[in-house]
Parts: sequence; structure tokens; C-alpha cells
Amino acid sequence: GAGVSQSPSNKVTEKGKDVELRCDPISGHTALYWYRQSLGQGLEFLIYFQGNSAPDKSGLPSDRFSAERTGGSVSTLTIQRTQQEDSAVYLCASSSVTFTDTQYFGPGTRLTVL
Amino acid sequence: GDSVTQMEGPVTLSEEACLTINCTYTATGYPSLFWYVQYPGEGLQLLLKATKADDKGSNKGFEATYRKETTSFHLEKGSVQVSDSAVYFCALSANTGNQFYFGTGTSLTVIP
Repeated sequence: GAGVSQSPSNKVTEKGKDVELRCDPISGHTALYWYRQSLGQGLEFLIYFQGNSAPDKSGLPSDRFSAERTGGSVSTLTIQRTQQEDSAVYLCASSSVTFTDTQYFGPGTRLTVL
Repeated sequence: GDSVTQMEGPVTLSEEACLTINCTYTATGYPSLFWYVQYPGEGLQLLLKATKADDKGSNKGFEATYRKETTSFHLEKGSVQVSDSAVYFCALSANTGNQFYFGTGTSLTVIP
């Protein structure tokens, strides 16, 4: 079956613009995760969905970041008024039920804010 | 808060050498521990995991034992191959189940 897909694969935007990043998890996976990987740094956990609910949003870096998941499937990460420090690779992963299940990662969206 | 600290890289080894990548963690309660690997040009994938103390995860010749007394989950392989060249990430699932923490990654290059 298909793996986790993300779109776009690359996004270049100007400072101050809003961007939307999309994640399509593996069909049937109830858990979905967003991470950010900045150059030279590890993966930073952003948010986790169980179904359509995000129990803990404290990992989001600022109130310019928001995420939603609809129908227990597709998720969108939105960054408003982008800043240069938002430039990173944004990774999405899904797992069948919980954190202890294997996470399957998408290829990522590389965001560049000019 | 919970965190993972792993050995800085990069690491360069000759083929058939022994590998150890250190990973220690800080967590309340009983987290689950993971090693993920990213091969060149590929996405992250799970290498192995352990969900309780004294468990040993193993895969592809790699092993790691969940040591609660030393809060460690070191990755080991007795004889590395060129195909093991990748970036390895230690990771922790918080006890609350709502957060996940990755280390900064250790780049391994194995030369023939």
C-alpha cells in the first residue's frame, strides 16, 4: 500500500506570507505526527493527533503555527506570517495506534522563507 | 522535561569494525525507546525499539538494551558494513504518550 505522502515537496515563500503543508498518512493509521528538522539539528516534535484530536499542542513553536486533521486522515500544518527561522524540513509520520507503534515517515516538505 | 542525548558525530569506521553509538535519556516514569535510521536519500525508518526496562531491541545485526539503572539505550553492532552508512537517531516516547523526542542524530560512514 501507499506510504505517507506530503505536499508540496518544496516550498519557497517570502517572509510574512502564510503557507500550508499537507500530509496524507497511511490508510487506517489513527496516529499522526508533525516534526521539524532544521539544518544541523535533530527532529523537533511539533504535534501529535490521535484521530482528529491533538491532546497536546505545546510543541508548536509559536501561535503562528497551527495544525488540523479532518476525517481521521489528511492533516494540514499552517504557518502564518512566515519568518526566516521557519525554514526547515517539515516531516509527517503516522502510526497505527500509539507512540509505541512504528512511525512511518513521509519524504518531508522543504520550506524556504526568503 | 524529557529529553534524549546521543553521541556527537560524525563517526567513520572501517568495514567489519564494531560500532557503539551512545544514547542516554531523561524522563519521568517509563518511556519507550527507539532507534530510527535515515539512509542517504531516503526517509526515516524504525531500526529497533524497546518498550520496557531490560528489553533488548534488535534488527539487521543492530542491538540496543533498555537500561533503566543507567538511563541508556546504546546502539551496537559487532561488524558494520558499507551499507550501514546512515544517520542514526535515538528517540523517546514520553510516558504521557503525547510527546516524542529525537536526539540530534549521529552520522555514520563505513569505508571499505
